[in-house]
Amino acid sequence: AQSVTQPDIHITVSEGASLELRCNYSYGATPYLFWYVQSPGQGLQLLLKYFSGDTLVQGIKGFEAEFKRSQSSFNLRKPSVHWSDAAEYFCAVGPGNNNDMRFGAGTRLTVKP
Amino acid sequence: NAGVTQTPKFQVLKTGQSMTLQCAQDMNHEYMSWYRQDPGMGLRLIHYSVGAGITDQGEVPNGYNVSRSTTEDFPLRLLSAAPSQTSVYFCASSKKSGGLTDTQYFGPGTRLTVL
Repeated sequence: AQSVTQPDIHITVSEGASLELRCNYSYGATPYLFWYVQSPGQGLQLLLKYFSGDTLVQGIKGFEAEFKRSQSSFNLRKPSVHWSDAAEYFCAVGPGNNNDMRFGAGTRLTVKP
Repeated sequence: NAGVTQTPKFQVLKTGQSMTLQCAQDMNHEYMSWYRQDPGMGLRLIHYSVGAGITDQGEVPNGYNVSRSTTEDFPLRLLSAAPSQTSVYFCASSKKSGGLTDTQYFGPGTRLTVL
């Protein structure tokens, strides 16, 4: 069965600093990979997704992620973090037995002024 | 467009009570799903539907029922609430072409507490 590990429960960065959120997955074939963001009190919003092709994927809000098959990773990056990026970030992998996605436990991002 | 709407936003139940969480979408999406979100566990799929009249179980279906009589609505029923069902519940929808692995649009969530 597919699974996702987000090793960092909580990360704090200064505004303007670069950001990398880690995501490692376990999957038997080429996965579909996603990053979602959840602002406080809100539902999840898709940042970006990877199905095939170019392993560097651009998303909304200046985020990008790189699929590295050899490392089973799909890390999320942003060159310069804004205070509004403070949120919880979820990595997800699919499809599974129900043609569904499995979500990681999430990484909470705090942005210091 | 309203997107995906959920009611209520907050609910407190006593053990053994039943209730229905409402979910509606106005994007004409065939796929709809219910997730629960628990601290440190991410989102887990409860039930999903690939179209009106068709539902199936996800990862954690026990204690929940669903039905899909229309494309727009996908209610989640708690038959006999238990404290273990204290959670935040999210409804989501997506296009038929991609199913649950396509971009999902999430509602704002319902925070449920079972005493």
